[in-house]
Amino acid sequence: GQQLNQSPQSMFIQEGEDVSMNCTSSSIFNTWLWYKQDPGEGPVLLIALYKAGELTSNGRLTAQFGITRKDSFLNISASIPSDVGIYFCAGPNYNAGGTSYGKLTFGQGTILTVHP
Amino acid sequence: NAGVTQTPKFQVLKTGQSMTLQCAQDMNHEYMSWYRQDPGMGLRLIHYSVGAGITDQGEVPNGYNVSRSTTEDFPLRLLSAAPSQTSVYFCASSYKSGANVLTFGAGSRLTVL
Repeated sequence: GQQLNQSPQSMFIQEGEDVSMNCTSSSIFNTWLWYKQDPGEGPVLLIALYKAGELTSNGRLTAQFGITRKDSFLNISASIPSDVGIYFCAGPNYNAGGTSYGKLTFGQGTILTVHP
Repeated sequence: NAGVTQTPKFQVLKTGQSMTLQCAQDMNHEYMSWYRQDPGMGLRLIHYSVGAGITDQGEVPNGYNVSRSTTEDFPLRLLSAAPSQTSVYFCASSYKSGANVLTFGAGSRLTVL
């Protein structure tokens, strides 16, 4: 089956620093998604990418859809304490008919800790 | 607008006991799904549903049953709990038109002794 590998597994940074994380796949995806999970909550969608090479921003977050369609990157600029959480990349899991029905394959997650 | 509501938030079971995790959404989403989250393994799909009366297996379905009698509700049943089912369970839903944009519940933490 499809597998997504995220790195790094965890990061400990100081407030104000920039953060970079990535996600690689053994197979091609035509959509990449980045979710964030706050402690004790469910994941929330941050950014969705639909085209190879696409660069999309959401406030201090910027994500890129790799041109090989086998990787994606997420950057956070000027981190703040509320950026703490687990960041997941995800891709749709399509059936033979080309529909995902909301089925996603998730990476293992990157745990981000921000020290004030 | 409550979104996706999961109950209970915490549950402790003994091996062999059965229970049902409840999930309800009020957004009229067509698709619903259950994931489990284990440390270092991300979220893995257990079962999903594309509409009332239609369910199918995900990546890790063994030991779990689901049904969807209404658009709003999608309960997850553990028939005979095992310690390997200790996990955090998340219910999610999405529109057919935006299937990959999932709205998740807050999660249910289950411990099986």
